[in-house]
Amino acid sequence: DTGVSQNPRHKITKRGQNVTFRCDPISEHNRLYWYRQTLGQGPEFLTYFQNEAQLEKSRLLSDRFSAERPKGSFSTLEIQRTEQGDSAMYLCASSPWTGEGYEQYFGPGTRLTVT
Amino acid sequence: KQEVTQIPAALSVPEGENLVLNCSFTDSAIYNLQWFRQDPGKGLTSLLLIQSSQREQTSGRLNASLDKSSGRSTLYIAASQPGDSATYLCAVRRGNAGNMLTFGGGTRLMVKP
Repeated sequence: DTGVSQNPRHKITKRGQNVTFRCDPISEHNRLYWYRQTLGQGPEFLTYFQNEAQLEKSRLLSDRFSAERPKGSFSTLEIQRTEQGDSAMYLCASSPWTGEGYEQYFGPGTRLTVT
Repeated sequence: KQEVTQIPAALSVPEGENLVLNCSFTDSAIYNLQWFRQDPGKGLTSLLLIQSSQREQTSGRLNASLDKSSGRSTLYIAASQPGDSATYLCAVRRGNAGNMLTFGGGTRLMVKP
């Protein structure tokens, strides 16, 4: 296991369609994060899991967004009824739980384009 | 609410120069600060992690410093190379139960041969 993986890497969809992204964290990392990054901006936090529990959600995560991590391993992020404003890079990160100083490791991202 | 600012937004330098990237944050109650590199269209690569109790970290030609009291961090790149061209992002982790990173907008660096 060499790092965080995300699939698909690119997704083009029409407005109104539903999309689902997958993130596989580094093995044995029990913390998993989703971020969104629009062009020219830094990533913004969306949500965070510790094992299978979703512990924190940003106000950016509207009702059309849902994230799951059913067995505490991989995670999915679903966007329903996509809008053009959802076009962005969706980044996943994972970290171990080693107290205060753990580092977040990021995947390559899924670029979503809504036409 | 934590806000992170990076200055400059873009920087172009000739190869071989030493350079400094700046990061400032409004809430000094942080657990740690990370510097990342991002190549166009790619994910983030972690460069350095500084704990709140530390003042600096070094990795190869990179040196990052942290001054919590003034809400500042700098990333020093020695002897820059064209391969260093990328966007550099700093991010802070809150000093409470939260685990999210708050990112700055990044500095786009171009090193010209």
